[in-house]
Parts: sequence; C-alpha cells; structure tokens
Amino acid sequence: NAGVTQTPKFRILKIGQSMTLQCTQDMNHNYMYWYRQDPGMGLKLIYYSVGAGITDKGEVPNGYNVSRSTTEDFPLRLELAAPSQTSVYFCASSAGNSPLHFGNGTRLTVT
Amino acid sequence: ELKVEQNPLFLSMQEGKNYTIYCNYSTTSDRLYWYRQDPGKSLESLFVLLSNGAVKQEGRLMASLDTKARLSTLHITAAVHDLSATYFCAVDSGGATNKLIFGTGTLLAVQP
Repeated sequence: NAGVTQTPKFRILKIGQSMTLQCTQDMNHNYMYWYRQDPGMGLKLIYYSVGAGITDKGEVPNGYNVSRSTTEDFPLRLELAAPSQTSVYFCASSAGNSPLHFGNGTRLTVT
Repeated sequence: ELKVEQNPLFLSMQEGKNYTIYCNYSTTSDRLYWYRQDPGKSLESLFVLLSNGAVKQEGRLMASLDTKARLSTLHITAAVHDLSATYFCAVDSGGATNKLIFGTGTLLAVQP
C-alpha cells in the first residue's frame, strides 16, 4: 500500500544544473499536483494535472516543467537550478473532490 | 485570486487549555480542508468541510466552516503535547480541478 512515492528524498544541486523529481502513485488517481514548501511557509502549487496528457500551471510555475504520460507518474523537471528553488517539494494525488494524499517530500538544496 | 490567511502563525499553549486557529479566505469556495504536518514529515488530512455550517470533530479537534464569512476555525480542546504540529487550512480554488490554496500554517506548541 505505497500511496504516493517520491524520489529522491534529498538532493544537492549546483547552480545551473538540471534534475527531475520523480513522483508515482498507485491509487489510480486522476489528479496529481506538485507543491513546494519554503521554511516556515505554507505550500505553493507549482503545476497540476487532471489526467494523463493534461497539465497546467499553478501559482509558481516559473523554472519548472512537468509531463504526465501515464496516470501513475508525474515527474517535475528543474532546468537551470537557482538558489531560489531551494525548498521541500511535495507531490500529491487525489480522486477529485477529496483530500490530497501527499508523498514524503524531496528536500532540494541549490548552492 | 484566492488568498488564504491563517492566524495566529505561532501558538504556544499549556496542556489542558483551549484555543482556536482561524482561517480566512478571500473568494467563494465549496470546500475547505485542514491538514496536520509534524516536523520534517508529510501532510496528513484531518478534515474536509463541504458546506456552510459544517462541523467535524475528531478527538480534541473540532473544525467548522462559515462560507458566508469565508471563515473556518479549528478548535483545540484540552490540549495535549501530542497535538504539537503545524496545522494548515487549504481552500479549493474551484474549477473542478481540486486545486488547493494553502494558508501559511499555524505552528502549535503544547507545553506540559
């Protein structure tokens, strides 16, 4: 009963590097989300998807890209990492009109 | 644009005391959630409130929703140390996407 699985758990990037944060869910949820949480702050929505092949921007999409080729997977791509992208990233899924199920997060540091 | 505000941002309380966390939001919404986050952990869903006047209770926590005032409250009764965590409200921004806009959170510290 895995739920939402995120990898990696921790990552340190140098400025200008790129990486992909992986997210997969086994609950057959159509809706998936990426949030970032800065220290002492709430969560900000980066991108979301309502189904395979459909993605849209959230509150803070700049510097990120997503894709949704399958129901299960929703990777988040960082191109040209910047210190401002240092944060904890949470992936979540839902069946729609129901609580979001969150992964355990990826802690990213850009130096 | 939907804005969600919580207060207080930090709450230090003694065990056995009662207190209330407030969540205000700026535009009409049909759905409001409360989440709990322990330090370094993920978010756990506590309550979903779907209509005006909705009240949900679980143990020492009770959540309510007033859609006319655009206000939700999370009331803590006779706090215990195990309730120490950060509590977030999150409001559905509408459009059948279940996009949630989160408040900044309330860090609750229950002192013995």
